[in-house]
Amino acid sequence: GAVVSQHPSRVICKSGTSVKIECRSLDFQATTMFWYRQFPKQSLMLMATSNEGSKATYEQGVEKDKFLINHASLTLSTLTVTSAHPEDSSFYICSARQGARYEQYFGPGTRLTVT
Amino acid sequence: QKEVEQNSGPLSVPEGAIASLNCTYSDRGSQSFFWYRQYSGKSPELIMFIYSNGDKEDGRFTAQLNKASQYVSLLIRDSQPSDSATYLCAVNPNTGNQFYFGTGTSLTVIP
Repeated sequence: GAVVSQHPSRVICKSGTSVKIECRSLDFQATTMFWYRQFPKQSLMLMATSNEGSKATYEQGVEKDKFLINHASLTLSTLTVTSAHPEDSSFYICSARQGARYEQYFGPGTRLTVT
Repeated sequence: QKEVEQNSGPLSVPEGAIASLNCTYSDRGSQSFFWYRQYSGKSPELIMFIYSNGDKEDGRFTAQLNKASQYVSLLIRDSQPSDSATYLCAVNPNTGNQFYFGTGTSLTVIP
């Protein structure tokens, strides 16, 4: 299967700082990447969908100025959590898709803790 | 009505038994259906996808799709303790790029 990497796997930051998470498709070109958030024992929550070279489409209730998404190439998307607060602490997972009707592959996730 | 519905469980089966996981979806025009497995603290892992009505087998896993009933299921034969996880059903509707995920069914295989 296709491989998607995420970096970092864990990050601890202080309240008010910004954190960047990278998502890379290693062996395929991802026309679309997705960013999810998952709180403990809860289901996946889609935050945004990004297509290479276009602005991301954010789900209702997700602040685009707080969660900056850049999909600059067919293999890389980044999520920047700006001015992080403790309530932003969560498991952030990206996924990538090669094209329409293709399956979605998930990265290993990034556990963010904001102190 | 949710786009994709799953019984949250927990579902418990003895080792060696068949585990049956079920999923229904609301968009009749949906074309692609996926099953993911998620271990606690890990990200989801794709285990099966199915596009056509009928059964699709891959090792101990069988996905079954019935578009008329808007129903997709996953059978796990010879269940092992290592199969204990949450299983997520995902549906790609006819339009749009995103998947709709169910809330997942927690499966425990008892040794």
